[in-house]
Amino acid sequence: NAGVTQTPKFQVLKTGQSMTLQCAQDMNHEYMSWYRQDPGMGLRLIHYSVGAGITDQGEVPNGYNVSRSTTEDFPLRLLSAAPSQTSVYFCASSYLPGSGGTEAFFGQGTRLTVV
Amino acid sequence: EDQVTQSPEALRLQEGESSSLNCSYTVSGLRGLFWYRQDPGKGPEFLFTLYSAGEEKEKERLKATLTKKESFLHITAPKPEDSATYLCAVQGGNTPLVFGKGTRLSVIA
Repeated sequence: NAGVTQTPKFQVLKTGQSMTLQCAQDMNHEYMSWYRQDPGMGLRLIHYSVGAGITDQGEVPNGYNVSRSTTEDFPLRLLSAAPSQTSVYFCASSYLPGSGGTEAFFGQGTRLTVV
Repeated sequence: EDQVTQSPEALRLQEGESSSLNCSYTVSGLRGLFWYRQDPGKGPEFLFTLYSAGEEKEKERLKATLTKKESFLHITAPKPEDSATYLCAVQGGNTPLVFGKGTRLSVIA
């Protein structure tokens, strides 16, 4: 049982390049989300999805695109990388909230540097 | 808008010196309050979920409590291996988790 798997673990991009950060989970979770973590800023939500075919914006969505074609996968696309997108990116998954909240499981992160 | 504020930003303890971390929150319709531990270079690791005021949960040297406005993570007789960043998050309605900025804990032998 792998949990949440993110690839790549490290990436260096040049300004203007595009790339896709991959996220896959094998827990059959409906809820998936992408966060970025910057020093002193905590975890900030980029985009999230409550199921296949459904996505929504979070707090910092500009410059990023997502799609959810399957339950398992939730890729994050950087359209034209900028130095301000240098960060550590985390993907998380969980069951949909029922009568109570449900804990999210996180991947190990992708450390992205844009030069 | 859901908000989470954690204090202190950093805490340095001697081994065996008990203390508490604070998480103040505002949320519309609390579904759950979550505590995570994060080690350097790793993703957050789930510790506890609290659902309603008055609830408490324990795991080894950690105990989490919840009131209507804040949560505390009590650390009893900490060890160096407890050194990490501790994150608090809330979930309201069907919205994703909203995180605080974390408390960086260092336990010195």
